[in-house]
Amino acid sequence: QVTLRESGPALVKPTQTLTLTCTFSGFSLSTSGMCVSWIRQPPGKALEWLALIDWDDDKYYSTSLKTRLTISKDTSKNQVVLTMTNMDPVDTATYYCARISPERGLDYWGQGTLVTVSS
Amino acid sequence: SYELTQPPSVSVSPGQTARITCSADALPKQYAYWYQQKPGQAPVLVIYKDSERPSGIPERFSGSSSGTTVTLTISGVQAEDEADYYCQSADSSGFYRVFGGGTKLTVL
Repeated sequence: QVTLRESGPALVKPTQTLTLTCTFSGFSLSTSGMCVSWIRQPPGKALEWLALIDWDDDKYYSTSLKTRLTISKDTSKNQVVLTMTNMDPVDTATYYCARISPERGLDYWGQGTLVTVSS
Repeated sequence: SYELTQPPSVSVSPGQTARITCSADALPKQYAYWYQQKPGQAPVLVIYKDSERPSGIPERFSGSSSGTTVTLTISGVQAEDEADYYCQSADSSGFYRVFGGGTKLTVL
């Protein structure tokens, strides 16, 4: 049974760095073809893809946010971490992590975590 | 930046067929995926690789592809299908994912 769970602060101040952790079970990020991705969704708006990391530790970032994002993995802990620097109120959103399988794309999602950016 | 274009809204009566389109230049080269999202919930994969349906997804959901446009079809729409639907694909390199702007399906 595949599960993913996002964790991190619910509230951050402008200019601070956000660190989110995705803890997963039911699959290994060492398996060829497996990836974990981060996606966010501002309230009432569309999904926005942020980043992904694959089994081989290759990393890909949204071109519009790549200067602010870092994604990393700890395979032994089954965790993927996303950091986003210089947070702004427009970054207020629900942040999701999801598994990408070679066959089915983003096939399992976490429940999401709402991050509010406010002073 | 690469974009997927969806209509903002589609409305159908129960029992009718809903079609939601998604267009982009790289779609002939990259697979498309469709996600259903109900209020307050995480998205759920309903179609992968243009036209494949995951186990547990009703048969009334189907996908197709033609040139630069992919289509999600929901046959015999039910009230429970009212949701936002997002297409997702990758740019021509295959590395950078992108979502469409979402389509709100209203069941009249």
